[in-house]
Amino acid sequence: EAGVTQFPSHSVIEKGQTVTLRCDPISGHDNLYWYRRVMGKEIKFLLHFVKESKQDESGMPNNRFLAERTGGTYSTLKVQPAELEDSGVYFCASSQGTERNTEAFFGQGTRLTVV
Amino acid sequence: GDSVTQMEGPVTLSEEAFLTINCTYTATGYPSLFWYVQYPGEGLQLLLKATKADDKGSNKGFEATYRKETTSFHLEKGSVQVSDSAVYFCALRGTGSARQLTFGSGTQLTVLP
Repeated sequence: EAGVTQFPSHSVIEKGQTVTLRCDPISGHDNLYWYRRVMGKEIKFLLHFVKESKQDESGMPNNRFLAERTGGTYSTLKVQPAELEDSGVYFCASSQGTERNTEAFFGQGTRLTVV
Repeated sequence: GDSVTQMEGPVTLSEEAFLTINCTYTATGYPSLFWYVQYPGEGLQLLLKATKADDKGSNKGFEATYRKETTSFHLEKGSVQVSDSAVYFCALRGTGSARQLTFGSGTQLTVLP
């Protein structure tokens, strides 16, 4: 069974440009999460999809970030326009349920560098 | 809100040394507790978990016990190997409506031969 896959693995863009990150969750997982780790700090929650619906987007830093999950399958996270402080590692995770003991499976992450 | 405080790194040990990485948490109710590990070039992997007080999670020689009285979930291993070099993250999933994980800042472990 394929795990969670993320594209690209690395991205270097200039300030002001647009970048789109993609996440393919494990097949059958309705729950999809985006997280971010900035500057070696803690991994912070960005948002949570249940199928195609945004369940919780309280962690999105500002309106330059737009996440979508059309059809309830893969998800994209667009940053437009990118700023220097957006640099970090963006993780995607998926799970079957949301019970508190449910394991979340993570992708390898996308390392975004804004210069 | 929920929070996780994790021992600052980096930690450097010799092979076969004893490892402890401290983790304490703040949460309402009875959260589930997790340790995730990120090996170089790989994604986050669940290492172990515990879902109620006094539960002990264990995997690959690592152990952690859910201590409600001290709100702690310290990670231990009796004899580390070079292959254990990685970043370790303590995390919790709370009992409220939010279903996301709350992570600590991560601890970089380097094991020298």
